[in-house]
Amino acid sequence: EPEVTQTPSHQVTQMGQEVILRCVPISNHLYFYWYRQILGQKVEFLVSFYNNEISEKSEIFDDQFSVERPDGSNFTLKIRSTKLEDSAMYFCASSELSSYNSPLHFGNGTRLTVT
Amino acid sequence: AQSVTQLDSQVPVFEEAPVELRCNYSSSVSVYLFWYVQYPNQGLQLLLKYLSGSTLVESINGFEAEFNKSQTSFHLRKPSVHISDTAEYFCAVTITGGGNKLTFGTGTQLKVEL
Repeated sequence: EPEVTQTPSHQVTQMGQEVILRCVPISNHLYFYWYRQILGQKVEFLVSFYNNEISEKSEIFDDQFSVERPDGSNFTLKIRSTKLEDSAMYFCASSELSSYNSPLHFGNGTRLTVT
Repeated sequence: AQSVTQLDSQVPVFEEAPVELRCNYSSSVSVYLFWYVQYPNQGLQLLLKYLSGSTLVESINGFEAEFNKSQTSFHLRKPSVHISDTAEYFCAVTITGGGNKLTFGTGTQLKVEL
């Protein structure tokens, strides 16, 4: 069964550094998402992306965050200047459609640790 | 805005015993409800969903959940758990027009013991 793959599985970075989290969505999916989960807290929606544009973003997704689909397969989340509070598990997801009837397929996540 | 509450952070249970994982939601508009499961070192996988129709929905591995509008609940149940059901379970909600922008609960860690 096709799956969403995320790399790396764990990234450690120093505060103020830029990080790029990478995702390869399922090949025939058109909608892409990033969610994150701070340890012990809820899984939170960050952003959705379709047709090379952000379709929706949450309040968390401020100017230090950006997303990109640099080629036909990868979908990336960039954090420009990391803060301690950015430490979390980041999940990429994709779906065929944007409808609630089109289930999200999640990757295994990237654990980001900011020191 | 909608919200989801999972009151139980951990639920220990013996193998072959029944289990119920509780989920309550809050929303001013109609909702669609989901349960996701996360096995160790894996991503979240859709377990089951309620969109419309019958309020009782079932998964292929024996879990079921019942949508109760009056109690704003969507509890997950299994009559007899297996050691392989050990995982974290997340309840999630979206609203009409909300697409796949899900609001999740904090998750319940189900630990099945021999």
